[in-house]
Amino acid sequence: GDSVTQMEGPVTLSEEAFLTINCTYTATGYPSLFWYVQYPGEGLQLLLKATKADDKGSNKGFEATYRKETTSFHLEKGSVQVSDSAVYFCALGGNNAGNMLTFGGGTRLMVKP
Amino acid sequence: SAVISQKPSRDICQRGTSLTIQCQVDSQVTMMFWYRQQPGQSLTLIATANQGSEATYESGFVIDKFPISRPNLTFSTLTVSNMSPEDSSIYLCSTRGLGTGELFFGEGSRLTVL
Repeated sequence: GDSVTQMEGPVTLSEEAFLTINCTYTATGYPSLFWYVQYPGEGLQLLLKATKADDKGSNKGFEATYRKETTSFHLEKGSVQVSDSAVYFCALGGNNAGNMLTFGGGTRLMVKP
Repeated sequence: SAVISQKPSRDICQRGTSLTIQCQVDSQVTMMFWYRQQPGQSLTLIATANQGSEATYESGFVIDKFPISRPNLTFSTLTVSNMSPEDSSIYLCSTRGLGTGELFFGEGSRLTVL
């Protein structure tokens, strides 16, 4: 079945450091890929998405490129801020209404001033 | 997009009691989903709720423990029955964006069972 594997956290960085959170997946067909963010005490928010191979999703300075050849969707940001401290979830799912999202285990990011 | 409101946002419950979580969407949606997020864990789908039919439960979840109602296209409830400390989790309601595949989530209901 479908699965998503993320790097384990926590990831601790200093402000303005470069961020990479690795995400790889296994899936049948051509899923869409998503990154969700969960700030402390809140629900999940969609951060960015990509619906086909070589698409790049971007939002709030974060980027991720859908790499079919490596089955990856790594999240990157060039300069993190303290306000980026949160848990990040990689997820995959089909575009059909009946297809559920499969989530990775989540990666906690802690950014220190 | 869809705006999803859940209540209660958090509650502390006694072992053996039941609690019903309500989920309201600001637009009519076909499918609503209930997820559980145990402490420090990822999200696990509990069930899918379609209006006018019985909810479809994922492996490991049963209707007697997590009864779900879906009386109309904008509302659903999840009951956590006969709670134990192992049920302490965040319960999240979600729905799918039209044609986009992405899920929109409520803020979650954080339950602590003593």
